[in-house]
Amino acid sequence: QSVLTQPPSASGTPGQSVTISCSGSSSNIGSNSVSWYLQLPGTAPKLLIYSNNQRPSGVPDRFSGSRSGTSASLVISGLQSEDEADYHCAAWDDGLNAVVFGGGTRLTVL
Amino acid sequence: EVQLVESGGAVVQPGGSLRLSCAASGFTFNDYTMHWVRQLPGKGLEWVSLINWNGGSTYYGGSVKGRFTVSRDNNKNSLFLRMDSLTTDDTALYYCAKDMHSGYDRWIDNWGQGTLVTVSS
Repeated sequence: QSVLTQPPSASGTPGQSVTISCSGSSSNIGSNSVSWYLQLPGTAPKLLIYSNNQRPSGVPDRFSGSRSGTSASLVISGLQSEDEADYHCAAWDDGLNAVVFGGGTRLTVL
Repeated sequence: EVQLVESGGAVVQPGGSLRLSCAASGFTFNDYTMHWVRQLPGKGLEWVSLINWNGGSTYYGGSVKGRFTVSRDNNKNSLFLRMDSLTTDDTALYYCAKDMHSGYDRWIDNWGQGTLVTVSS
């Protein structure tokens, strides 16, 4: 059971926008920034979003993140087939003194 | 270019021990906090541990606390994870990962390719 809650799956068609949610609590998302990671099949995770809404260089602006209260969201606009992957959210938890992850969301591009 | 190369994964019996290593290059290793994160087969990511730049502060996830020990050798640009009292629930791909922070914000900005630990009799 993950501390952060993500939907196990999401889907969309090419060109559409998809939103993946990440729900936490006051001790994690409510008080610390959220990061998002993309994991293509059979590969290591890769940083997608940090500090709630910042993109590392090389990440397309089709990917955007936001945080409000104890929840965060990742929006992928202009969906492409290569976006089919697992997406994970994470944050520091002040109560656990630990990094906590969501269970991951598998995105399918139909 | 940041490179993190894990090694030491193996098949080990329940109750056994294992030591994982991570060789880091492409950045000033002793400037950064480092993490271990694992991924159980077909599951999401589970944070295991972190160690600060000089090894003076360490933190552990609840499921490994008291059994795993993280350490580092800044002279050799290496990170380690000693795993004791292993159970089948520890079977996973273990990633070495580099921390980044800005003010109070922290995130993982680079990951290794992982080393597989299988606990089985």
